[in-house]
Amino acid sequence: DIQMTQFPSSLSASVGDRVTITCQASQDISTDLSWYQQKPGKAPKLLIYDASNLEIGVPSRFSGSGSGTDFSLTISSLQPEDVATYYCQQYYNLPAVSFGGGSRVEIK
Amino acid sequence: QVQLVQSGAEVKKPGASVKVSCKASGYTFTKYGISWVRQAPGQGLEWMGWTNSYGNTDYAQKFQGRVTMTTDASTSTAYMELRSLRSDDTAVFYCTTDFDSAVWGQGTLVTVSS
Repeated sequence: DIQMTQFPSSLSASVGDRVTITCQASQDISTDLSWYQQKPGKAPKLLIYDASNLEIGVPSRFSGSGSGTDFSLTISSLQPEDVATYYCQQYYNLPAVSFGGGSRVEIK
Repeated sequence: QVQLVQSGAEVKKPGASVKVSCKASGYTFTKYGISWVRQAPGQGLEWMGWTNSYGNTDYAQKFQGRVTMTTDASTSTAYMELRSLRSDDTAVFYCTTDFDSAVWGQGTLVTVSS
């Protein structure tokens, strides 16, 4: 099984700050990685797929990068509506997938 | 538009079984598989398994022997049955479709309590 390690598990930043979350795979997964945003009581929302492709309708302040085992999600200018938990998901060995542990983002 | 609509919340006693449904619309159901994801209160997302309309399944090791995933092509509905429920199975269960990874069901809360 492919393990996904995500960090930090939580962070607090000011509005307008640049925020980066990282995700590490236990083996090479090429670019088979998505990022999801989840707000309380809601289903996860897809932000990024194939490591760096922005889902339609997602603000351009979100970006993803990486390949192989190391990946990152960056919010270029944190907004109040970005308060949420973010998860990475690998899909290298479909149909099995696995998620990182999540990163909670709060406003300072 | 593509949509997954799940069945309503359930309350079960320890040792019982629960069967959650996920009705798909807006795409050809038989061409794509359905995955199930569990989220315990305050916890992260956990993949449980996958099934398709041909009866193929792939279950996470953790749930092997306790979960059954099926589909009904006539109603474009997928089902996830979890047996021998324990209190730590209390969670929200989501379905997702291979057709579009952006599409998730609204979630079904299953509460296991004596």
